[in-house]
Amino acid sequence: DADVTQTPRNRITKTGKRIMLECSQTKGHDRMYWYRQDPGLGLQLIYYSFDVKDINKGEISDGYSVSRQAQAKFSLSLESAIPNQTALYFCATSEWTSGTAQFFGPGTRLTVL
Amino acid sequence: GQQVMQIPQYQHVQEGEDFTTYCNSSTTLSNIQWYKQRPGGHPVFLIQLVKSGEVKKQKRLTFQFGEAKKNSSLHITATQTTDVGTYFCAPDYGGSQGNLIFGKGTKLSVKP
Repeated sequence: DADVTQTPRNRITKTGKRIMLECSQTKGHDRMYWYRQDPGLGLQLIYYSFDVKDINKGEISDGYSVSRQAQAKFSLSLESAIPNQTALYFCATSEWTSGTAQFFGPGTRLTVL
Repeated sequence: GQQVMQIPQYQHVQEGEDFTTYCNSSTTLSNIQWYKQRPGGHPVFLIQLVKSGEVKKQKRLTFQFGEAKKNSSLHITATQTTDVGTYFCAPDYGGSQGNLIFGKGTKLSVKP
């Protein structure tokens, strides 16, 4: 959805570099998520945030960190990128109420050489 | 942790044939959502099922939630090339987190 934007859309980097992926939303949603998608493995939750002061680890948080700068902004960092972090990364948002639909950004394709 | 099994992983059909994907959980679900991801695209919400035995339809798509709220299915009647993509189920197990656990998806290809 155009209401959820991600930058950059594509990134190639080298092993050991620090990388930041950014997500912005204009939907006014409280909840934001970062997912990783690998071929054949579906979507794996990295981190999620229920509001600016609330950050939680997901299934695969090791090697990643996040920052919720504002209700509308949620960034994902790879402190020291490694090749097996090569994947497609999606940001998503949802309303405060549990169990509501998630709206995904267009994704960032990250390649770590 | 909770896991969901989605089958089949891949399905190739001739245009006009029907298609079904199944999502099975070992534990009772609070609700379940379905998403579609077109090739090169991002997941897009299709529907949410909440009640035991619930059936919902969207044109040629029929979604069902099992009586025990442990399984769900998505059936497409008379597939079209526009149906191509990966279909994910996303169960919600409830609780304070309310996070979804996405299945691995069923990738549908449709031969014209």
